[in-house]
Amino acid sequence: SYVLTQPPSVSVAPGKTARITCGGDNIGTKSVYWYQQKPGQAPVLVISYDTDRPSGIPERFSGSNSGNTATLTISRVEAGDEADYYCQVWDSSSDHVVFGGGTKLTVL
Amino acid sequence: QLQLQESGPGLVKPSETLSLTCTVSGGSISSRTYYWGWIRQPPGKGLEWIGSIYYSGSTYYNPSLKSRVTISIDTSKNQFSLRLSSVTAADTAVYYCATCSGYGSGFDIWGQGTLVTVSS
Repeated sequence: SYVLTQPPSVSVAPGKTARITCGGDNIGTKSVYWYQQKPGQAPVLVISYDTDRPSGIPERFSGSNSGNTATLTISRVEAGDEADYYCQVWDSSSDHVVFGGGTKLTVL
Repeated sequence: QLQLQESGPGLVKPSETLSLTCTVSGGSISSRTYYWGWIRQPPGKGLEWIGSIYYSGSTYYNPSLKSRVTISIDTSKNQFSLRLSSVTAADTAVYYCATCSGYGSGFDIWGQGTLVTVSS
């Protein structure tokens, strides 16, 4: 089955740029989705189809996807961005949804 | 604007069947646009996809749970449901229902989630 690999944690200072990676075999051929989850809340979709921001998501959030790595980039990080972030793909070869293990973003 | 709400018992005994329902409001569950899904999250752990269903009844299940899972749709009640049989403590989790706006897209609307504890 398809596997997505994320670093368990990423730390960044306020105002800097955070990059969270999601590794998978030829992930660049798939559409990647990113979710933000704050404690006690349901996940929120922040990036769709690799690079698209749903309505209401700040422009500071962006995504890229190529080769074996997809990346969520958060520019000008704020304290309120501290959360868990998950990547997700739909593996069309098996018609299965796959989530990455999640990355805890800490704002120093 | 679509809204989803999970409902069902918060406590299930080991070896029994967990049953949850997701009620859809603000739109029709029979819409050809949406796929409906269940995702769970054990305490302190990551997200795990359980399965998804289309209005036609086509289902897609996580292979690790497939032997124990049934997802069904009730268009008359605008609801879809999850049944997970032979539960153990490892099935203790927050269970979310969610929807995708098309085949292969992300889950853009989520319910608030409901905690189900498996314990005697």
